[in-house]
Amino acid sequence: AQSVTQPDIHITVSEGASLELRCNYSYGATPYLFWYVQSPGQGLQLLLKYFSGDTLVQGIKGFEAEFKRSQSSFNLRKPSVHWSDAAEYFCAVGGYGGSQGNLIFGKGTKLSVKP
Amino acid sequence: DTAVSQTPKYLVTQMGNDKSIKCEQNLGHDTMYWYKQDSKKFLKIMFSYNNKELIINETVPNRFSPKSPDKAHLNLHINSLELGDSAVYFCASSLDSSGNTIYFGEGSWLTVV
Repeated sequence: AQSVTQPDIHITVSEGASLELRCNYSYGATPYLFWYVQSPGQGLQLLLKYFSGDTLVQGIKGFEAEFKRSQSSFNLRKPSVHWSDAAEYFCAVGGYGGSQGNLIFGKGTKLSVKP
Repeated sequence: DTAVSQTPKYLVTQMGNDKSIKCEQNLGHDTMYWYKQDSKKFLKIMFSYNNKELIINETVPNRFSPKSPDKAHLNLHINSLELGDSAVYFCASSLDSSGNTIYFGEGSWLTVV
């Protein structure tokens, strides 16, 4: 069965420091992978996605993620974190019920940013 | 212009009541979804509709009934509300069900008291 694991429940980084949020997935075929961000009291905003092609994908707000098939990972990175990046981050894989459009989410990683 | 809009954003209601959450998308998409986010922030798909037809119906109590009057709308009706139904409900849409970017609405915060 498909699944997504985000090993870190809560991460705190200093403003200006680099960030890496981990995501591992379990999926039988080539996965469609997504990262979403949710600010407090807000909806879900798509940061980036991977469908095929270049394994390093660029997203909005200076985020990038790298798909590594051998490690079943799709980690999210940002070279310099801003205080406004504090939010909950969700990794997701498409494919629930045999349809790539149905997302399976990880349990999220809460990012706190220290001044 | 809001691509996926849902109303109401906040809803507080008593146990046993029946309530509806409306969702509309103006993207011309064929597929719409309802997701539930529980108190621990865990997101899980509830329903998926493609061209007004139900294609995914996750293990959800019969008290929850989606209705799609047309491709642009997918409403969620909940009967006999229970305390455990308190959650954030997200509507979403995508071009089709074969694997495209899924756009989410801003969520509806339901509190059952």
